[in-house]
Amino acid sequence: NAGVMQNPRHLVRRRGQEARLRCSPMKGHSHVYWYRQLPEEGLKFMVYLQKENIIDESGMPKERFSAEFPKEGPSILRIQQVVRGDSAAYFCASSHDRGNGYTFGSGTRLTVV
Amino acid sequence: GQQLNQSPQSMFIQEGEDVSMNCTSSSIFNTWLWYKQDPGEGPVLLIALYKAGELTSNGRLTAQFGITRKDSFLNISASIPSDVGIYFCAGQTNAGGTSYGKLTFGQGTILTVHP
Repeated sequence: NAGVMQNPRHLVRRRGQEARLRCSPMKGHSHVYWYRQLPEEGLKFMVYLQKENIIDESGMPKERFSAEFPKEGPSILRIQQVVRGDSAAYFCASSHDRGNGYTFGSGTRLTVV
Repeated sequence: GQQLNQSPQSMFIQEGEDVSMNCTSSSIFNTWLWYKQDPGEGPVLLIALYKAGELTSNGRLTAQFGITRKDSFLNISASIPSDVGIYFCAGQTNAGGTSYGKLTFGQGTILTVHP
């Protein structure tokens, strides 16, 4: 049973480009969470999605960031017009119901140059 | 928003020593979780605590959920080199509605174990 799969593991983007981060939850999990980790800090909640619905986006910046979890396919975190401050590790977690059985992926490390 | 204060920030210990780290919060959590993160990887759950006062062990790890529901500690006994990593506490609330499921993380404790 594969764990939470995130890709790419590393992503380099120039300022102004778009970054698309993908997360495939564990089999049977329909709840997905995205977190951001800056160097030497803890993870900060961004958004919580359940199939086709955004449940809580209180941690998402209001501009340039969006997330989706379509009926078919992985969850996508999209960052438009990236800036240097977006450089961070982005982690996805999934659970089979609200908040239980949380499992994290290995993350995508975004570097904006 | 909710914040967790985790201490110490870092620890340098000799192999075989015991380690203790803790987290405090200004608000109540219904669940406390302790994670370990290795370089380049995501956090891995070590121990989950669901009841105030609960004391739970997992091998050489012991964690407690404070009576006030505003704090937790993690102890590691007889440390070994593979204990090296960053340890995070995280709190979860089921205050209802959309906040359920969201984790609030501490800043982490960097553990170095000298052989």
